Amino acid sequence: DIQMTQSPSSLSASIGDRVTITCRASQGIINYLAWFQQKPGKAPKSLIYGASSLQSGVPSKFSGSGSGTDFTLTISSLQPEDSATYYCQQYNSFPYTFGQGTKLEIK
Amino acid sequence: EVQLVESGGGLIQPGGSLRLSCAASGFTVSNNYMSWVRQAPGKGLEWLSVIYTAGRTDYADSVKGRFTISRDNSKNTLYLQMNSLRVEDTAIYYCARGWELDPIDYWGQGTLVTVSS
Repeated sequence: DIQMTQSPSSLSASIGDRVTITCRASQGIINYLAWFQQKPGKAPKSLIYGASSLQSGVPSKFSGSGSGTDFTLTISSLQPEDSATYYCQQYNSFPYTFGQGTKLEIK
Repeated sequence: EVQLVESGGGLIQPGGSLRLSCAASGFTVSNNYMSWVRQAPGKGLEWLSVIYTAGRTDYADSVKGRFTISRDNSKNTLYLQMNSLRVEDTAIYYCARGWELDPIDYWGQGTLVTVSS
């Protein structure tokens, strides 16, 4: 199975800041990488697929990049509602695997 | 509007069986990849199973041989038959819709399965 490792596991940032979350795959996954946002007690929400394509309705403050084994999710102009746990997930080969999550706190 | 509504969760004893349903609206289940993903209490996400448009299925090793994914095209509904349930199967189960280059674009709200004696 492909292992997905996110860093950091948690971070704290201020309103208006820009943050970057990293996701590393244990082997190359081309660009078959998605990002999800999950708020406490809620279902996950899809943000990005294909490493950099935004889902419909997702604001442009979210952006993704990378290919091969190293990927990033960048969130700009942080607002209180961006407080959530963010997961990456590879779909290059089944079983599709998720990272362990990055908990983002807005100070 | 795309909607996915799961049902069928509940409390079940170890070794028991349960069938989850996911009623879809706003799109056709058979035209999409449909998946089940679960989340144990306080833990991360785990992809369990997918049924592709042609009907082929895939399973995670953790549920292979115990869980079966299926769909009823006439009811536009996805199912997950869960047998030989274990305490470690306790989780919120989500159904999800996607396609080849974007396996999950929509999620359901989830249904809680608790396996306990």
